[in-house]
Amino acid sequence: GAVVSQHPSRVICKSGTSVKIECRSLDFQATTMFWYRQFPKQSLMLMATSNEGSKATYEQGVEKDKFLINHASLTLSTLTVTSAHPEDSSFYICSARVTGRRGYTFGSGTRLTVV
Amino acid sequence: QQQVKQSPQSLIVQKGGIPIINCAYENTAFDYFPWYQQFPGKGPALLIAIRPDVSEKKEGRFTISFNKSAKQFSLHIMDSQPGDSATYFCAARGSGNTPLVFGKGTRLSVIA
Repeated sequence: GAVVSQHPSRVICKSGTSVKIECRSLDFQATTMFWYRQFPKQSLMLMATSNEGSKATYEQGVEKDKFLINHASLTLSTLTVTSAHPEDSSFYICSARVTGRRGYTFGSGTRLTVV
Repeated sequence: QQQVKQSPQSLIVQKGGIPIINCAYENTAFDYFPWYQQFPGKGPALLIAIRPDVSEKKEGRFTISFNKSAKQFSLHIMDSQPGDSATYFCAARGSGNTPLVFGKGTRLSVIA
């Protein structure tokens, strides 16, 4: 149980375009979703925390106008990378905490390549 | 400021060996300490986790040792196999609905 489905797993886009990444909680309600970014051979860096029905909280240094997060329902959170540039190329991962449990479940990640 | 310090950065062991990965933390408010395994191109997967009121927890070949006074915890992998070759992250979390804080990761290679 407690599965987070993340799509797409891999996307290549042209510089200047926008890309949307979706994370769906399949068998539980995710009141909070965490979005991470991971560069090659590095650790996960928290980008933002989104709570259902409210605005996301962004970590220092993360551009909220560039990384748009929407958490309109208890089962879906999206991250949109707007006007993507090559430096946005990275591995993006979502994570949700299952209510009533201490554990966190992660999506399978999205490899974004901006060309 | 890194809240969870992990070492070593990389580790090579022979099949059957027992790799040990160590983590240290400063924030005494942390109350949940998981270990994650990550394969290339995949999201992290929970291996095992421990609470600070327990000094050791074992699940299959994976064991966490926890030293609350030293603010350290470690992962031991018994009878390691080539399939265990992956990157391992320790993490910690405070109370409430707060995100995990990750260590920098350890790249483990188990050679036959």
